[in-house]
Formats: sequence, structure tokens, C-alpha cells
Amino acid sequence: DVKVTQSSRYLVKRTGEKVFLECVQDMDHENMFWYRQDPGLGLRLIYFSYDVKMKEKGDIPEGYSVSREKKERFSLILESASTNQTSMYLCATDPTSGVGSTEAFFGQGTRLTVV
Amino acid sequence: LAKTTQPISMDSYEGQEVNITCSHNNIATNDYITWYQQFPSQGPRFIIQGYKTKVTNEVASLFIPADRKSSTLSLPRVSLSDTAVYYCLVGDIGAAGNKLTFGGGTRVLVKP
Repeated sequence: DVKVTQSSRYLVKRTGEKVFLECVQDMDHENMFWYRQDPGLGLRLIYFSYDVKMKEKGDIPEGYSVSREKKERFSLILESASTNQTSMYLCATDPTSGVGSTEAFFGQGTRLTVV
Repeated sequence: LAKTTQPISMDSYEGQEVNITCSHNNIATNDYITWYQQFPSQGPRFIIQGYKTKVTNEVASLFIPADRKSSTLSLPRVSLSDTAVYYCLVGDIGAAGNKLTFGGGTRVLVKP
């Protein structure tokens, strides 16, 4: 079974802190994604990466950055946390199968509260 | 990924069949249609995927008409535990550099 592990289930940080959310996958998948989910807004894509050291902006990248130094690890960074970044953050991966579509796998999520 | 439109919410009762239709008018030739299920405080999980006609697995069926501009997820004989949000995605998931963009999903509430 594919395992996508997010480092924390719950996190409380102060405004202005630098926050790191870590995601690790164990299946050698190329694509990795970071989302945030807020009530009534569905899942919104923040950043994604299709290879080591590669990153692409999603739909709401402002206030975030990412790092992918190793294939299995994709980090989301809040440079200076603000209260409007309080949200559920979800990491996902999918393999580049090259044979048509496939499925994505999600972590359990990190509920971040910025106070 | 092609934009998708689905109903915001649906109510049903235990034992009934639930059908959720997703519109995707701009679907491309290489695109597949994939449905995910999400329970509260969990990440979405894959339910079913198809390209054309009908696909069935142990959880659901997916009906795709010939023009592929819509698709219908069918959940047979739902139970209370099927209460969740269901997302329709259209695209070549797994293509390098492909965005994985979710719409708002359909919130299904199964009542006793």
C-alpha cells in the first residue's frame, strides 16, 4: 500500500512564525501536491512538484513556498504565518505511469491553527 | 485539467441508490474521469476511474456517455457510512507536471 505521511496531525503556531509542513511518500512517485481545505471552498492547490527540485505554482501560492530536495519528501513552508492560513493542509502524490491515468494518494492532513 | 461541475449537496436514505452527475464539457481526448471520496478530517481516497462506457468495482459504478461530456457516479444501496464529500476529477492524472485540481465536490448525506 502506498503511504503518504504528513509530519503532524495538529499544529498550533503563532503569527509571524516560519512553519514547515512535511510530507513523505514511500512509493517513488514523481508528482507531489500540497492543498489547503477550508469549509465551503473544497481543496485548493497551493503548489505541486513533478520532480526533485522542480516546483510549480498552483491556484493559491501566495504566502507559501515549497521545497523538494529528495523525491520522497515535499515540504510546504509558510514564511511568516498569518491567521488566514489557519486551515487543513493535505499532501498528495501520484505516479507518472505513462500508460494513461492513474490515482492520487493523500495523506491524513495537518490541521494548522495560527494564533 | 478540464473544469468540472457537480451538485453541491444531495440527501438520500439508507438502502437507496445515489447518483451524482458531473459535467465536464471541455474534456480532452487523453483525459480520464476519476472520483474520490472524502470523510471529515481525512484526505480524499480514490473510488473509481473510467475513460468511456461503464466501469464497476466493489464500491461504485461509473457511467460515461459516448460524448464523455458528463459522467455519473452511482453508489448502490448506500449506508450511513457513505456520508461524505464526493469529488469528480477530469484529466490525465499521472502525467508529469499535471495539476491535480479539485472542484467543490458533492456533499452526500445519508439519513436513516
